[in-house]
Amino acid sequence: DSGVTQTPKHLITATGQRVTLRCSPRSGDLSVYWYQQSLDQGLQFLIQYYNGEERAKGNILERFSAQQFPDLHSELNLSSLELGDSALYFCASSEDGTDTQYFGPGTRLTVL
Amino acid sequence: AQSVTQPDIHITVSEGASLELRCNYSYGATPYLFWYVQSPGQGLQLLLKYFSGDTLVQGIKGFEAEFKRSQSSFNLRKPSVHWSDAAEYFCAVGFNDYKLSFGAGTTVTVRA
Repeated sequence: DSGVTQTPKHLITATGQRVTLRCSPRSGDLSVYWYQQSLDQGLQFLIQYYNGEERAKGNILERFSAQQFPDLHSELNLSSLELGDSALYFCASSEDGTDTQYFGPGTRLTVL
Repeated sequence: AQSVTQPDIHITVSEGASLELRCNYSYGATPYLFWYVQSPGQGLQLLLKYFSGDTLVQGIKGFEAEFKRSQSSFNLRKPSVHWSDAAEYFCAVGFNDYKLSFGAGTTVTVRA
């Protein structure tokens, strides 16, 4: 158990819908990262937050957004969902945004 | 372009035999290097990491990895595999911004 929690574990929804994935980092970690794992793209970095502020952006679609709250938990919002958004979404956290990342168990999103 | 390559998509090894998983990277400078393992339906667990110093790194579960600058490689090894080592293994690299880039992964099957 890495100490990073993600909810929900599974999410099934329809195209065009909007969902929110939640992540709680390890105690004391200030930085949160989001990754997408799909069969065709592999594991890809989406976005990083550090202490409430966006620090780095990767291959994140405009339909996706994230935020980190004062209690340091983070949410990833996915809107206008398409079939291709079906994937495993991982959250990771690190102490200060410059060191080892510890991953949560992931949220499996299925878009029908 | 920066990239991480895991040349072997799938490796089958007998229980008790040795295992070596290859990882090569293409970056302008030495990145930070990691190996993660993902068991079926699970999240990513950190096996080991290299930031600097001794090029032979010991990790959890009896794994070790060796960084070779001249070959831009960070190969993972285990002297004697157990059936529980069957999983998918990912090499990852981070650079100044610390967002991780992952290889495509190597699936390890352990036969009795």
